[in-house]
Amino acid sequence: GQQVMQIPQYQHVQEGEDFTTYCNSSTTLSNIQWYKQRPGGHPVFLIQLVKSGEVKKQKRLTFQFGEAKKNSSLHITATQTTDVGTYFCAGNQAGTALIFGKGTTLSVSS
Amino acid sequence: NAGVTQTPKFQVLKTGQSMTLQCAQDMNHEYMSWYRQDPGMGLRLIHYSVGAGITDQGEVPNGYNVSRSTTEDFPLRLLSAAPSQTSVYFCASSYSIRGDQPQHFGDGTRLSIL
Repeated sequence: GQQVMQIPQYQHVQEGEDFTTYCNSSTTLSNIQWYKQRPGGHPVFLIQLVKSGEVKKQKRLTFQFGEAKKNSSLHITATQTTDVGTYFCAGNQAGTALIFGKGTTLSVSS
Repeated sequence: NAGVTQTPKFQVLKTGQSMTLQCAQDMNHEYMSWYRQDPGMGLRLIHYSVGAGITDQGEVPNGYNVSRSTTEDFPLRLLSAAPSQTSVYFCASSYSIRGDQPQHFGDGTRLSIL
């Protein structure tokens, strides 16, 4: 079955450092979505990528979708304490249910 | 709009008991799903529905039943609770299954099985 793998599982950075999490699928994806979950909260949608090689930015966050539509990354520039949380990627093949990666938990020390 | 509403927020059960976790959405979404979240395991799909009267199994369906009699409601039933079902359960909804629409999550139900 479809699998979505995400690395690293945990990442600790000093405030101001950059952070990247990677997502890889065993199959070609129709699109990929990214979510953020604050401690004690629920996942909140950040963005979706649809096109091969697509790059989108949201302020300090940069999202990329691979050319083969099998991998994706989220990069945060100059992390802040407000970036703390778990970041999930989620993907699906056409017409199938959305499958989430295990997430990357980011901690930031000031 | 209330969005996705889950009840209860917390529940403690004894092994062997049954219960229903409620999920309701007021956004007229066709697609609804249930996930469980365990430490280090991410969000694992239990069951999902692409519309009223249509349900299907996800990655970890054993021990759970669902039904979808209306567009708004998608309850999750634990038939005979086991300690392995201790988890945080999230219900989510979106306009479509295609994955090109954001998933809206409820606040979750924290379930402990003793």
